[in-house]
Amino acid sequence: AQKITQTQPGMFVQEKEAVTLDCTYDTSDPSYGLFWYKQPSSGEMIFLIYQGSYDQQNATEGRYSLNFQKARKSANLVISASQLGDSAMYFCAMREGSNYQLIWGAGTKLIIKP
Amino acid sequence: EADIYQTPRYLVIGTGKKITLECSQTMGHDKMYWYQQDPGMELHLIHYSYGVNSTEKGDLSSESTVSRIRTEHFPLTLESARPSHTSQYLCASTKDSRETQYFGPGTRLLVL
Repeated sequence: AQKITQTQPGMFVQEKEAVTLDCTYDTSDPSYGLFWYKQPSSGEMIFLIYQGSYDQQNATEGRYSLNFQKARKSANLVISASQLGDSAMYFCAMREGSNYQLIWGAGTKLIIKP
Repeated sequence: EADIYQTPRYLVIGTGKKITLECSQTMGHDKMYWYQQDPGMELHLIHYSYGVNSTEKGDLSSESTVSRIRTEHFPLTLESARPSHTSQYLCASTKDSRETQYFGPGTRLLVL
């Protein structure tokens, strides 16, 4: 079974609109961390935001926020006021318990239209 | 920002050649990782290291090898490159207790 599922292979969004990228996860470990990364066409992976399973509040970093719904096992990334430079691949990843390795989703390709 | 470097950024090479992809970080991180990624696809872990003289194979079977003789250096070697090795190779190291991985710029390899 997939541990990280990103159901949107691609999305088109109008500039300045808010975007929600979906991520669901599957783990039985009560301690885990969830990460979102951005990968522009240049290829580098850029860390955006982190949510810990015990964090009481949803994580926010500038225009990025994480809609963390623990009971649903979802950790959707919200980008407010999208910009052309937000066009990229976005990956969700999870760290389970004391396992240092990350489990990666298949990614969502986001294209912002002017 | 993490300081992690990869060279070369791009490499075009013929079949059968031996290549080494370099990865270095200046932060003294113990944990380092190598991923293989085809364009627009998910990342596959091919090697990781939790410290000097410690290396393990990842989930994706790879014909490459790695070494970790110094903390800051984690090179990946292909003894005999093949067209199936054409891909992007990303190196990462972890920075904090969350195990946030910070990535180098990647090496895009094309084997003819």
